[in-house]
Amino acid sequence: GENVEQHPSTLSVQEGDSAVIKCTYSDSASNYFPWYKQELGKGPQLIIDIRSNVGEKKDQRIAVTLNKTAKHFSLHITETQPEDSAVYFCAARRGTGGFKTIFGAGTRLFVKA
Amino acid sequence: DAGITQSPRHKVTETGTPVTLRCHQTENHRYMYWYRQDPGHGLRLIHYSYGVKDTDKGEVSDGYSVSRSKTEDFLLTLESATSSQTSVYFCAIGRTADNEQFFGPGTRLTVL
Repeated sequence: GENVEQHPSTLSVQEGDSAVIKCTYSDSASNYFPWYKQELGKGPQLIIDIRSNVGEKKDQRIAVTLNKTAKHFSLHITETQPEDSAVYFCAARRGTGGFKTIFGAGTRLFVKA
Repeated sequence: DAGITQSPRHKVTETGTPVTLRCHQTENHRYMYWYRQDPGHGLRLIHYSYGVKDTDKGEVSDGYSVSRSKTEDFLLTLESATSSQTSVYFCAIGRTADNEQFFGPGTRLTVL
């Protein structure tokens, strides 16, 4: 069945460094790729998303890249800050019958001050 | 949390008892979803709704049922709770099927 693999499961960086999280999806009909940030005790919150007709998208310190041929997409956080510490989830959703969003298993990011 | 509330926020129950979780939205979004979150699995879709009284199964629907009698409320029922249903349950809403989903604060359910 459809699957999204996410790596690494845990990532520790020094404040100010960059963090990269990578995901691979299996369903070639996927055309929407959101990234969520989840803080302890809260629900996931969308931080950035990208559609399949775009290769890269940036929003301040956050960027996402998509390689449709290789079926992988990545989240890049630059100049990390302690408040970036959280669990990050990638997801992939197909554009037709588009109710089904498949999530990766999550990456726990620690930013050390 | 985008006008989404979930109740209860925490519940402990015993195996074999029925449990109902409630999701309430004030955004008038058409689509509503129930997910469960377990370590190592991310979020998995249980059931979703695309309108009042219109619901369908997700990838882990066995042992769960849902109902949506009005736009703002989406109920998740465990007819006879089992220990494997111990999890954190999240409700999400979406204006359209193709738009982003907004998540509620979650309900932590423990089945003893």
